[in-house]
Amino acid sequence: DSGVTQTPKHLITATGQRVTLRCSPRSGDLSVYWYQQSLDQGLQFLIQYYNGEERAKGNILERFSAQQFPDLHSELNLSSLELGDSALYFCASSEGLPPYNEQFFGPGTRLTVL
Amino acid sequence: ILNVEQSPQSLHVQEGDSTNFTCSFPSSNFYALHWYRWETAKSPEALFVMTLNGDEKKKGRISATLNTKEGYSYLYIKGSQPEDSATYLCAFDEGSGNTGKLIFGQGTTLQVKP
Repeated sequence: DSGVTQTPKHLITATGQRVTLRCSPRSGDLSVYWYQQSLDQGLQFLIQYYNGEERAKGNILERFSAQQFPDLHSELNLSSLELGDSALYFCASSEGLPPYNEQFFGPGTRLTVL
Repeated sequence: ILNVEQSPQSLHVQEGDSTNFTCSFPSSNFYALHWYRWETAKSPEALFVMTLNGDEKKKGRISATLNTKEGYSYLYIKGSQPEDSATYLCAFDEGSGNTGKLIFGQGTTLQVKP
């Protein structure tokens, strides 16, 4: 158990819908990262927050947005869902700023878009 | 586009065998190289964060080396055990400092037969 929690564990929804994935980092960790794992691709970096501020963006679609709240939990919002958004979404956290801190991954949220 | 290549893609060894995998990454703008172990149905678990050319890290029977000038890292497992069966991922930190944007390789899947 890494100490990072993610909810829900599974999510099944329809195309065109909007969902919110939630992540609570390890106690004391200020950095939160979101990753997407699709069937045909490796882990893809989406976005990173540090202490409430966005620090880095990867190939995150405009339909996706995220934020980190004052209590440091983070939410990833996915809207106008398409079949291709079906994937495993991981949240990770680290103590401070990269690049020297290892990232601790949560159990992931498996999103299925029908 | 930055590429992180891992080889081999998969590996089957007998219990007790020693093995090693390779991670190749861009040798310019190096910040850090991460190694993760990802067991089936679990989340990626950090093994090492390597930052300096010539770095060698060890955790039990697993060790890693880093050559930033030529852009490669090796992961070694001595005396493989069935519980070492997992996918081993390397990830390159390519951010311009303090971004945490990791570029993951596709992984090497190790299967250790009893």
